[in-house]
Amino acid sequence: DAGVIQSPRHEVTEMGQEVTLRCKPISGHNSLFWYRQTMMRGLELLIYFNNNVPIDDSGMPEDRFSAKMPNASFSTLKIQPSEPRDSAVYFCASSPMGRGLGYGYTFGSGTRLTVV
Amino acid sequence: SQKIEQNSEALNIQEGKTATLTCNYTNYSPAYLQWYRQDPGRGPVFLLLIRENEKEKRKERLKVTFDTTLKQSLFHITASQPADSATYLCALPYNNNDMRFGAGTRLTVKP
Repeated sequence: DAGVIQSPRHEVTEMGQEVTLRCKPISGHNSLFWYRQTMMRGLELLIYFNNNVPIDDSGMPEDRFSAKMPNASFSTLKIQPSEPRDSAVYFCASSPMGRGLGYGYTFGSGTRLTVV
Repeated sequence: SQKIEQNSEALNIQEGKTATLTCNYTNYSPAYLQWYRQDPGRGPVFLLLIRENEKEKRKERLKVTFDTTLKQSLFHITASQPADSATYLCALPYNNNDMRFGAGTRLTVKP
């Protein structure tokens, strides 16, 4: 298995532009997570899907952020419009079970987003 | 509010020694706790899970303890090697059992 695949690896965009980050989870994993990592705040959970359904989006910073999971093998995180404070590394992770069984997460390599 | 604290931002040790990293938590009653390793420019990699009814767990040179009374987990790397240099993160399950992470401890093992 190729693991969790994220694209792009790096994204530099101008303030106000739309940014779309993509994730392909491990086949058979039914839970998918989007995290954001910064030096100041560490790893923060943005949103969590189970069986393609959003379970908890309380970590999404504001309405400029949206996430979709149209099928079991693909998810997107969109920021529109982007702002310099959105600059961070965004990670996607997947796990075989959603609740209570404590499986470890498999993370992708991340997308480093820079908004100038 | 719930907090996860990894008490050392950075830890430097000599090769061959045992590294001990600490994870403390407040306002949690976790059924389990996880440890991850993160290398620069990479995503975290899952290492170990320990459940609340397990006092200790081992995997090769790694040992994790979990004290639910002290609300603390200790992560040990014995016979440390320069290749063990990385940031180590502890993680606890939150409301929906999605994992929340500590800030991490950056370990440097010097030859």
